[in-house]
Amino acid sequence: GAGVSQSPSNKVTEKGKDVELRCDPISGHTALYWYRQSLGQGLEFLIYFQGNSAPDKSGLPSDRFSAERTGGSVSTLTIQRTQQEDSAVYLCASSAGQRGWTEAFFGQGTRLTVV
Amino acid sequence: AQKVTQAQTEISVVEKEDVTLDCVYETRDTTYYLFWYKQPPSGELVFLIRRNSFDEQNEISGRYSWNFQKSTSSFNFTITASQVVDSAVYFCALSVTGNQFYFGTGTSLTVIP
Repeated sequence: GAGVSQSPSNKVTEKGKDVELRCDPISGHTALYWYRQSLGQGLEFLIYFQGNSAPDKSGLPSDRFSAERTGGSVSTLTIQRTQQEDSAVYLCASSAGQRGWTEAFFGQGTRLTVV
Repeated sequence: AQKVTQAQTEISVVEKEDVTLDCVYETRDTTYYLFWYKQPPSGELVFLIRRNSFDEQNEISGRYSWNFQKSTSSFNFTITASQVVDSAVYFCALSVTGNQFYFGTGTSLTVIP
């Protein structure tokens, strides 16, 4: 597609439920990133994919968080047993370069609210 | 360790004033890239500029200009003759290995008409 697409744009879930967030990167972009932005805060790195591999998962806050990427394209971020502190905007970005030295293009984000 | 500091949390200017957003970075690597992004109220981050560590030339794009100084580890962003549409949160970011972009905490700019 023309840009990075994320779905859903908004998600309200009950505490303890699992959620899946989807990211469709720009076609041909090999690098994909997930970030989290809490209200009024900066961007917190979660995970980086190069192709289907995730060489850097250092930002995942707990084992309730996991992510995968298939076909070098679509990525899914899964949060199990959601907690209220998981409420945030989850941003996905993709870039053409292998070493992050090219700019990343961001999607519009998924606003997750855990009630 | 990598770090980006944007000391200005919020700035307000009157339309047509010039404004400079500060960015100071820390890294021990000699090869790195610096970026600026704009996040308007709609929420989507918009890429503005990329600069590599070997190119200290300043850059101008319309009303936007960037001043990169390795001696002070700074990559400042100036908006000339600000407009209401410039109101947004601006993020400075650093990339070293490529595994992640290190973002500053952002500067919220409000341009008052």
